[in-house]
Amino acid sequence: GESVGLHLPTLSVQEGDNSIINCAYSNSASDYFIWYKQESGKGPQFIIDIRSNMDKRQGQRVTVLLNKTVKHLSLQIAATQPGDSAVYFCPGSNDYKLSFGAGTTVTVRA
Amino acid sequence: IAGITQAPTSQILAAGRRMTLRCTQDMRHNAMYWYRQDLGLGLRLIHYSNTAGTTGKGEVPDGYSVSRANTDDFPLTLASAVPSQTSVYFCASSMTSQGGYIQYFGAGTRLSVL
Repeated sequence: GESVGLHLPTLSVQEGDNSIINCAYSNSASDYFIWYKQESGKGPQFIIDIRSNMDKRQGQRVTVLLNKTVKHLSLQIAATQPGDSAVYFCPGSNDYKLSFGAGTTVTVRA
Repeated sequence: IAGITQAPTSQILAAGRRMTLRCTQDMRHNAMYWYRQDLGLGLRLIHYSNTAGTTGKGEVPDGYSVSRANTDDFPLTLASAVPSQTSVYFCASSMTSQGGYIQYFGAGTRLSVL
């Protein structure tokens, strides 16, 4: 299976700044990566995904970058807003099952 | 479209009692999942079902059972609840038949076993 890990358990960001959440993975054969956001009191919500044949994928205010050489991916949030305060996960994927770690808690400072 | 509906939203249960957490989806997804989330441990997979009529064990299946009689419903049963099963439980579904890993989650059931 895939083993993934978020680099930092917490991240504090000034409102309006860009946020970068980093994640490392262990299996070089992994071909799919996904990010989730979980707001307080809610279930996880899909943000964006990327396949290994891509280096970058952009969504609305979010960008995922994949560096297969160092087995690292990151989620960038542009112009961070208070609503971006949440726990972010980059779960490992195997046989359509996801393995969630503890996540990175992002706190947006006003 | 409701997506994933879980019931109840919260429950306080005496140890030793039997409890069934309900999960229903209206997206016709083939796969469904049950997770528990404990502080500092992220989400851990309890049981899953790739299609109606089949189920499989996840990372922490002990003390839990599931059934998948049809596509839409995936109930989770605690036969004899213990305090260590105090947690927030999330149900999710996905359309793996289309090659997707994207799982859609319900709002969760907060369970306290006393």
